[in-house]
Amino acid sequence: DTGVSQDPRHKITKRGQNVTFRCDPISEHNRLYWYRQTLGQGPEFLTYFQNEAQLEKSRLLSDRFSAERPKGSFSTLEIQRTEQGDSAMYLCASSRTGGRNYEQYFGPGTRLTVT
Amino acid sequence: AQSVAQPEDQVNVAEGNPLTVKCTYSVSGNPYLFWYVQYPNRGLQFLLKYITGDNLVKGSYGFEAEFNKSQTSFHLKKPSALVSDSALYFCAVRDVDTGFQKLVFGTGTRLLVSP
Repeated sequence: DTGVSQDPRHKITKRGQNVTFRCDPISEHNRLYWYRQTLGQGPEFLTYFQNEAQLEKSRLLSDRFSAERPKGSFSTLEIQRTEQGDSAMYLCASSRTGGRNYEQYFGPGTRLTVT
Repeated sequence: AQSVAQPEDQVNVAEGNPLTVKCTYSVSGNPYLFWYVQYPNRGLQFLLKYITGDNLVKGSYGFEAEFNKSQTSFHLKKPSALVSDSALYFCAVRDVDTGFQKLVFGTGTRLLVSP
């Protein structure tokens, strides 16, 4: 398999601008997750999709954040009216359902810097 | 609520010596436990998991971990460290009984293996 891919790898934006990130999961994985990681911390869960349905959302996901997975394949994460506190690494992960395949496989991340 | 503690920010070990990276967890139900490794400017790589069964689980690159239910611990071990093992290690837990898919991560432990 080709692994989880994320685009872009780096994004620099000015405060107040909107940004959108894309994640392409491993092709046979129907579960997709978004996490955020700040310096010196472990990843924090944001949201989770099974196919196209968004099933879990963290309280970290304010109303400025929206995630979609319209066809159950790739996903987008949009941040509106970015703030400096949004600067972080945004990680996407995917996993299978069923069997004993419980581990999540992570992409390389998108590093967001808000100036 | 789920939580993970990694009590050591950094572990130093000489090449060839055994290493241990500590992790304790808290969940209300039964845990699924995971170890991931992160190299600079890269995403998290899955190392190993405990789901059920044998308390000693083996994973990638010669790593293993021991699940101890009474001590709520899941320490990562390797009999003989390599310089190339130097990286950031994260322990994560999923509370199976909640039905939620999210992983909760610790803050990470930096492993430095000296030649």
